Amino acid sequence: GIQVEQSPPDLILQEGANSTLRCNFSDSVNNLQWFHQNPWGQLINLFYIPSGTKQNGRLSATTVATERYSLLYISSSQTTDSGVYFCAVRYGGSQGNLIFGKGTKLSVKP
Amino acid sequence: DSGVTQTPKHLITATGQRVTLRCSPRSGDLSVYWYQQSLDQGLQFLIQYYNGEERAKGNILERFSAQQFPDLHSELNLSSLELGDSALYFCASSAHRGSQNTIYFGEGSWLTVV
Repeated sequence: GIQVEQSPPDLILQEGANSTLRCNFSDSVNNLQWFHQNPWGQLINLFYIPSGTKQNGRLSATTVATERYSLLYISSSQTTDSGVYFCAVRYGGSQGNLIFGKGTKLSVKP
Repeated sequence: DSGVTQTPKHLITATGQRVTLRCSPRSGDLSVYWYQQSLDQGLQFLIQYYNGEERAKGNILERFSAQQFPDLHSELNLSSLELGDSALYFCASSAHRGSQNTIYFGEGSWLTVV
C-alpha cells in the first residue's frame, strides 16, 4: 500500500521561530490534507491541498504532486501551535479513505 | 466545529464488555469513516460507509462492526473488549461532490478498557 512519511518526527521551537514540516508519499494520490491534533486530541483541518500552494494566516502549505511531497510552513510560531501535525493522503478515487503519516510532534516554548 | 458529532466523548468499560460509539456526519455528507488512534499504532483506518453501504475496510478486528443507517448516522460496535482496545476513536465524513472532498473529523470518543 501507499506509504506516507513525515519529517521531522519531533520539533522543538522557541516562540516566534519559523519551521517547515515535510510529508513524502510513495504513490500518486487524489488529495492530501494537513491536520493539527491539539493537546486535547481534536483533529483540526488545516489544508486540503492536492497540489499547489495555499496560505491561511501564519500557516501555508505547498504540494508538488509530481514529486510526491508536501510542505507545511509555520511562521512566527506561538505556544498554541504545539501539538502533532499529520499529513494524510487519499487514493482509490474521490471517495477513498485517508492514509495518515506518523505525524510531527511540535513543541513551542515561550 | 467540524460539524461531525460523536458520542460519547469519554467511556470507561471493563474487559469483555461491548460498547457502541455513535457518529452523526456533517449535513449532506454521504461518506462516513471510522479511525482508531492508539499510542503505538497511530491513526488507523477501520472502515468506510457510503450512503448506507460498506465501501472499504481497513484494519478492523472481527470483534468490531459498524453500520450506517438510512439517516446517514453511523455506529461502531466494539465487543469482547480487551485492554488493547483502549484508544481514541474518530468518525469522519465527506461529501460526494466535485473534486473538493475534504474529510472532516469529529472530536473523537475516548475509550478506556480496564
